[in-house]
Amino acid sequence: QMQLQESGPGLVKPSQTLSLTCTVSGVSISSDGYWWSWIRQHPGKGLEWVGYAHHSGSSFFNPSLRSRCTMSIDTSKNQLSLNVDSVTAADTAVYYCARYDTSDYDHLPLDSWGQGTLVTVSS
Amino acid sequence: QSALTQPPSASGSPGQSVTISCTGTNSDVGAQNYVAWYQQHPGKAPKFIIYEVRKRPSGVPDRFSGSKSGSTASLTISGLQAEDEADYYCCYYAGRSVLFGGGTKLTVL
Repeated sequence: QMQLQESGPGLVKPSQTLSLTCTVSGVSISSDGYWWSWIRQHPGKGLEWVGYAHHSGSSFFNPSLRSRCTMSIDTSKNQLSLNVDSVTAADTAVYYCARYDTSDYDHLPLDSWGQGTLVTVSS
Repeated sequence: QSALTQPPSASGSPGQSVTISCTGTNSDVGAQNYVAWYQQHPGKAPKFIIYEVRKRPSGVPDRFSGSKSGSTASLTISGLQAEDEADYYCCYYAGRSVLFGGGTKLTVL
Protein backbone atom coordinates (compact mmCIF):
# COMPACT_ATOMS: atom_id res chain seq x y z
CA GLN A 1 0.00 0.00 0.00
CA MET A 2 1.33 3.38 -0.97
CA GLN A 3 2.27 5.87 1.76
CA LEU A 4 3.76 9.35 1.76
CA GLN A 5 5.43 10.81 4.84
CA GLU A 6 6.59 14.41 5.12
CA SER A 7 9.43 15.39 7.42
CA GLY A 8 11.37 18.51 8.25
CA PRO A 9 12.11 21.08 10.93
CA GLY A 10 8.99 22.36 12.62
CA LEU A 11 10.53 25.80 13.11
CA VAL A 12 12.47 27.96 10.66
CA LYS A 13 13.82 31.46 11.22
CA PRO A 14 12.79 34.30 8.90
CA SER A 15 15.05 34.80 5.87
CA GLN A 16 16.34 31.21 6.11
CA THR A 17 15.60 28.28 3.79
CA LEU A 18 12.80 25.86 4.56
CA SER A 19 13.72 22.29 3.59
CA LEU A 20 11.22 19.43 3.58
CA THR A 21 11.38 15.78 2.55
CA CYS A 22 8.60 13.45 1.48
CA THR A 23 9.42 9.75 1.73
CA VAL A 24 7.36 7.56 -0.58
CA SER A 25 6.81 3.89 0.19
CA GLY A 26 4.88 1.19 -1.64
CA VAL A 27 5.54 2.57 -5.15
CA SER A 28 8.57 3.74 -7.07
CA ILE A 29 9.02 7.49 -7.20
CA SER A 30 10.75 7.04 -10.54
CA SER A 31 7.71 5.60 -12.31
CA ASP A 32 7.24 7.58 -15.53
CA GLY A 33 3.52 8.00 -14.88
CA TYR A 34 3.87 9.74 -11.52
CA TRP A 35 4.28 13.43 -10.85
CA TRP A 36 4.91 14.51 -7.28
CA SER A 37 3.51 17.62 -5.74
CA TRP A 38 3.73 19.86 -2.72
CA ILE A 39 0.63 21.64 -1.46
CA ARG A 40 0.49 23.89 1.57
CA GLN A 41 -2.28 25.07 3.84
CA HIS A 42 -1.92 28.20 5.95
CA PRO A 43 -3.45 27.85 9.44
CA GLY A 44 -7.22 27.92 9.17
CA LYS A 45 -7.07 28.61 5.43
CA GLY A 46 -7.46 26.82 2.13
CA LEU A 47 -5.11 24.76 -0.01
CA GLU A 48 -2.35 26.32 -2.09
CA TRP A 49 -0.49 24.35 -4.76
CA VAL A 50 3.28 24.81 -4.55
CA GLY A 51 4.56 22.75 -7.48
CA TYR A 52 5.04 19.46 -9.34
CA ALA A 53 8.20 17.45 -9.97
CA HIS A 54 8.97 14.39 -12.11
CA HIS A 55 11.94 12.04 -11.72
CA SER A 56 13.07 13.12 -15.21
CA GLY A 57 13.97 16.50 -13.74
CA SER A 58 10.94 18.42 -15.01
CA SER A 59 9.18 20.66 -12.54
CA PHE A 60 6.46 23.30 -12.52
CA PHE A 61 5.67 25.83 -9.83
CA ASN A 62 2.96 28.15 -8.65
CA PRO A 63 3.91 31.48 -10.30
CA SER A 64 3.66 33.22 -6.93
CA LEU A 65 6.33 30.92 -5.44
CA ARG A 66 8.47 30.07 -8.46
CA SER A 67 11.29 32.47 -7.66
CA ARG A 68 11.86 31.00 -4.17
CA CYS A 69 11.16 27.27 -4.64
CA THR A 70 13.11 24.28 -5.82
CA MET A 71 12.00 20.66 -5.88
CA SER A 72 14.11 17.56 -6.41
CA ILE A 73 13.69 13.80 -6.47
CA ASP A 74 16.18 11.32 -5.03
CA THR A 75 15.32 8.03 -6.69
CA SER A 76 17.83 6.08 -4.57
CA LYS A 77 15.95 7.06 -1.43
CA ASN A 78 12.47 7.27 -3.03
CA GLN A 79 12.20 10.82 -1.71
CA LEU A 80 10.86 14.16 -2.90
CA SER A 81 12.30 17.37 -1.51
CA LEU A 82 11.19 20.97 -1.35
CA ASN A 83 13.28 24.04 -0.59
CA VAL A 84 11.73 27.45 -0.06
CA ASP A 85 14.22 30.33 0.18
CA SER A 86 13.97 33.57 2.14
CA VAL A 87 10.99 32.52 4.20
CA THR A 88 8.71 34.90 6.07
CA ALA A 89 5.84 34.38 8.47
CA ALA A 90 3.61 34.06 5.39
CA ASP A 91 5.26 30.70 4.69
CA THR A 92 3.95 29.27 7.96
CA ALA A 93 1.70 26.39 6.91
CA VAL A 94 1.07 22.68 6.91
CA TYR A 95 2.95 21.26 3.95
CA TYR A 96 1.60 18.17 2.20
CA CYS A 97 3.15 16.00 -0.48
CA ALA A 98 0.87 14.20 -2.93
CA ARG A 99 0.99 12.13 -6.09
CA TYR A 100 -0.50 12.95 -9.50
CA ASP A 101 -0.98 9.60 -11.23
CA THR A 102 -0.86 9.81 -15.04
CA SER A 103 0.11 6.18 -15.48
CA ASP A 104 -3.25 4.99 -16.83
CA TYR A 105 -5.85 6.23 -19.28
CA ASP A 106 -7.57 8.12 -16.45
CA HIS A 107 -5.24 10.64 -14.88
CA LEU A 108 -5.78 10.90 -11.13
CA PRO A 109 -4.79 14.31 -9.74
CA LEU A 110 -3.41 14.36 -6.19
CA ASP A 111 -4.89 10.95 -5.49
CA SER A 112 -2.70 10.11 -2.49
CA TRP A 113 -1.53 12.51 0.21
CA GLY A 114 0.83 12.45 3.13
CA GLN A 115 -0.41 13.43 6.58
CA GLY A 116 1.26 16.84 6.35
CA THR A 117 3.89 18.58 8.43
CA LEU A 118 3.52 21.95 10.14
CA VAL A 119 6.26 24.48 9.52
CA THR A 120 6.32 27.66 11.57
CA VAL A 121 8.46 30.61 10.51
CA SER A 122 9.44 32.60 13.56
CA SER A 123 12.50 34.05 15.21
CA GLN B 1 -3.84 33.14 -11.32
CA SER B 2 -6.86 33.70 -9.09
CA ALA B 3 -8.28 31.02 -6.85
CA LEU B 4 -11.54 29.43 -7.88
CA THR B 5 -14.60 30.81 -6.06
CA GLN B 6 -16.53 28.64 -3.63
CA PRO B 7 -19.18 29.62 -1.07
CA PRO B 8 -17.56 29.66 2.38
CA SER B 9 -20.27 27.51 3.92
CA ALA B 10 -23.10 25.12 3.13
CA SER B 11 -25.39 23.03 5.25
CA GLY B 12 -28.03 20.33 5.09
CA SER B 13 -29.85 17.85 7.26
CA PRO B 14 -29.15 14.12 7.29
CA GLY B 15 -30.71 12.45 4.26
CA GLN B 16 -30.94 15.66 2.27
CA SER B 17 -28.86 16.71 -0.71
CA VAL B 18 -26.49 19.65 -0.84
CA THR B 19 -24.67 21.22 -3.78
CA ILE B 20 -21.43 23.17 -3.57
CA SER B 21 -20.44 25.41 -6.45
CA CYS B 22 -16.99 26.26 -7.80
CA THR B 23 -16.72 29.18 -10.21
CA GLY B 24 -13.77 29.84 -12.44
CA THR B 25 -13.31 31.49 -15.81
CA ASN B 26 -13.33 30.60 -19.49
CA SER B 27 -9.56 30.08 -19.15
CA ASP B 28 -9.76 27.36 -16.54
CA VAL B 29 -12.97 25.59 -15.41
CA GLY B 30 -14.80 26.70 -18.53
CA ALA B 31 -12.01 25.56 -20.83
CA GLN B 32 -11.54 21.88 -20.02
CA ASN B 33 -13.04 19.16 -17.83
CA TYR B 34 -10.07 18.88 -15.49
CA VAL B 35 -11.95 19.62 -12.29
CA ALA B 36 -11.41 17.61 -9.13
CA TRP B 37 -12.88 17.75 -5.63
CA TYR B 38 -11.30 16.96 -2.28
CA GLN B 39 -12.82 16.35 1.15
CA GLN B 40 -10.90 17.37 4.26
CA HIS B 41 -11.86 16.54 7.82
CA PRO B 42 -10.35 18.66 10.62
CA GLY B 43 -6.72 17.85 11.26
CA LYS B 44 -6.58 15.39 8.36
CA ALA B 45 -5.11 15.39 4.88
CA PRO B 46 -7.47 16.04 1.97
CA LYS B 47 -9.11 13.03 0.35
CA PHE B 48 -9.59 12.76 -3.43
CA ILE B 49 -13.30 12.25 -4.26
CA ILE B 50 -13.99 13.45 -7.83
CA TYR B 51 -11.92 13.96 -10.99
CA GLU B 52 -12.63 15.06 -14.57
CA VAL B 53 -15.73 16.87 -13.32
CA ARG B 54 -17.82 13.79 -12.59
CA LYS B 55 -15.70 10.64 -12.24
CA ARG B 56 -15.35 8.95 -8.85
CA PRO B 57 -12.16 7.17 -7.75
CA SER B 58 -12.68 3.65 -6.56
CA GLY B 59 -14.10 3.47 -3.06
CA VAL B 60 -15.92 6.82 -3.15
CA PRO B 61 -19.66 6.36 -2.57
CA ASP B 62 -22.00 7.25 -5.43
CA ARG B 63 -23.67 9.74 -3.08
CA PHE B 64 -20.93 12.08 -4.31
CA SER B 65 -21.43 13.40 -7.82
CA GLY B 66 -19.98 16.18 -9.91
CA SER B 67 -21.18 18.32 -12.79
CA LYS B 68 -20.27 21.43 -14.74
CA SER B 69 -22.05 24.17 -16.58
CA GLY B 70 -19.97 26.78 -18.35
CA SER B 71 -17.33 28.03 -15.93
CA THR B 72 -19.03 26.67 -12.82
CA ALA B 73 -18.45 23.18 -11.50
CA SER B 74 -20.57 21.65 -8.77
CA LEU B 75 -20.31 18.89 -6.21
CA THR B 76 -23.55 17.32 -5.03
CA ILE B 77 -23.74 15.11 -1.97
CA SER B 78 -27.00 13.21 -1.70
CA GLY B 79 -28.29 11.30 1.33
CA LEU B 80 -26.19 13.47 3.65
CA GLN B 81 -24.56 11.66 6.52
CA ALA B 82 -22.94 12.99 9.67
CA GLU B 83 -19.49 11.95 8.44
CA ASP B 84 -19.89 14.17 5.37
CA GLU B 85 -19.32 17.20 7.61
CA ALA B 86 -15.98 18.48 6.36
CA ASP B 87 -14.32 21.10 4.20
CA TYR B 88 -14.58 20.61 0.44
CA TYR B 89 -12.16 22.01 -2.12
CA CYS B 90 -12.49 22.17 -5.87
CA CYS B 91 -9.41 22.10 -8.05
CA TYR B 92 -8.60 22.81 -11.69
CA TYR B 93 -5.56 20.81 -12.71
CA ALA B 94 -4.99 21.17 -16.45
CA GLY B 95 -1.63 21.90 -17.93
CA ARG B 96 1.31 22.82 -15.80
CA SER B 97 -0.50 24.27 -12.81
CA VAL B 98 -3.14 23.63 -10.23
CA LEU B 99 -5.74 26.08 -8.95
CA PHE B 100 -7.73 25.42 -5.80
CA GLY B 101 -10.96 26.96 -4.67
CA GLY B 102 -11.10 28.68 -1.31
CA GLY B 103 -12.99 25.79 0.27
CA THR B 104 -16.52 25.27 1.55
CA LYS B 105 -17.28 24.19 5.09
CA LEU B 106 -20.18 21.74 5.02
CA THR B 107 -22.24 21.44 8.18
CA VAL B 108 -24.63 18.54 8.66
CA LEU B 109 -27.39 19.91 10.86
